[in-house]
Formats: sequence, structure tokens, C-alpha cells
Amino acid sequence: GENVEQHPSTLSVQEGDSAVIKCTYSDSASNYFPWYKQELGKGPQLIIDIRSNVGEKKDQRIAVTLNKTAKHFSLHITETQPEDSAVYFCAASISGFQKLVFGTGTRLLVSP
Amino acid sequence: GAVVSQHPSRVICKSGTSVKIECRSLDFQATTMFWYRQFPKQSLMLMATSNEGSKATYEQGVEKDKFLINHASLTLSTLTVTSAHPEDSSFYICSAREAGLSYNSPLHFGNGTRLTVT
Repeated sequence: GENVEQHPSTLSVQEGDSAVIKCTYSDSASNYFPWYKQELGKGPQLIIDIRSNVGEKKDQRIAVTLNKTAKHFSLHITETQPEDSAVYFCAASISGFQKLVFGTGTRLLVSP
Repeated sequence: GAVVSQHPSRVICKSGTSVKIECRSLDFQATTMFWYRQFPKQSLMLMATSNEGSKATYEQGVEKDKFLINHASLTLSTLTVTSAHPEDSSFYICSAREAGLSYNSPLHFGNGTRLTVT
């Protein structure tokens, strides 16, 4: 089955810096890659997603890139703000299957 | 749009009792809902896939008789933790995908239920 690895496990940046979180997946049949933000005591919130037919997607300060050949995808947050502090999860799903497989999570801390 | 409501947000129960958690899709219909369990500082572990009008599909290692799932309508799935024990204490989260959309479309999550078994 699919396996998703996520790095780093923790990331500390200064306000205004950029943050990059990387994930690799094992199954080349995966074709959907969402990113979720989870704040303490809450459920995950979808922040951006990408499908395998595109290589990059942007939404304001957030972007995701996908390299199908290398089987990795990354989340880029620019001009970070303290409210970006949370745990971020990447995920992948295999074509034809309903389930999402989650990465292990990255705790992002943005210091003022 | 795409709001998933989970209730209760917190519950404390005594060992041996049962607890029911509700998951509702408020503004969309969901033929499939998913139940996850999350331990502190860990990732989400899929427990089961809940299918409207049919039996749930459980992941390997998840006891179907202990974690009863019912998906009686297109907007409601329930998870009942039966004969709860302290080791069942965890954060339980449901998610749903809008009916009719492909599998590579967003899953929307509830805000979770913190279960503490004393």
C-alpha cells in the first residue's frame, strides 16, 4: 500500500521567512495530494491540494509543487505569520481508492 | 461551505460504558465518511470507512465489535465505542467527501472528539 513520509517533523522560522515542508510517496498510482493544517484541539483543515496532472499550484502565500518522477511534493509558505503556527499534514490517495494516507506531520512554529 | 460537524467535542466516561460520537455533513451529502483516531503528537490513523446504507469497512487491527459504525443517512454517521477502557482514550475525528465527486476531491474534517475513559 501507499506510504507517505514527511520532513521535517518540526520547523521553526522567524516571522516573514519562508517555510518548506516536503513529502515523498511510494505508490506511483497516487494522483491526489492535499495538505492540511491542524491547530491544537481541532480537526485538520484543507489548505491546498494538487492533482497529478499539474506540477504547481498557488493560493496567495501558499504553494504546492509536485514532482511525479521523483514521487515527492512540497508545501511552500511565504511571508510566514505567527498564525501559521500549527501542525501540517500532507496526504496522498491512489487513483480509484477512496482513502487518504497521511504523512507524519510537521509542527511549524513561527516566532514574531 | 463543506462543513462537517462532530458532537460531542469532549466526553468523559467511566470504564465499561459506551460512548456515541456523531458526525454530520451540514451543507452537503456524503455517501462515504471516514473515522480517524489520533494519538497526541501523532498522525491520523484511519479506523474505518463508513458507507451510507451498508456495512463499514474496517482497517486491519481495528475491532469492529468495539467500534460500531452506523451510516444511516447521507448526512450522518455515528461511531460508538463500546465497553470503553482507558486505552480507548484518544482524539477521534471524522471526515466526509461530497457525494458524486471523484476520489481525488477534498475530504472535509470535523473538529474531533476528545474521549477520556476513567
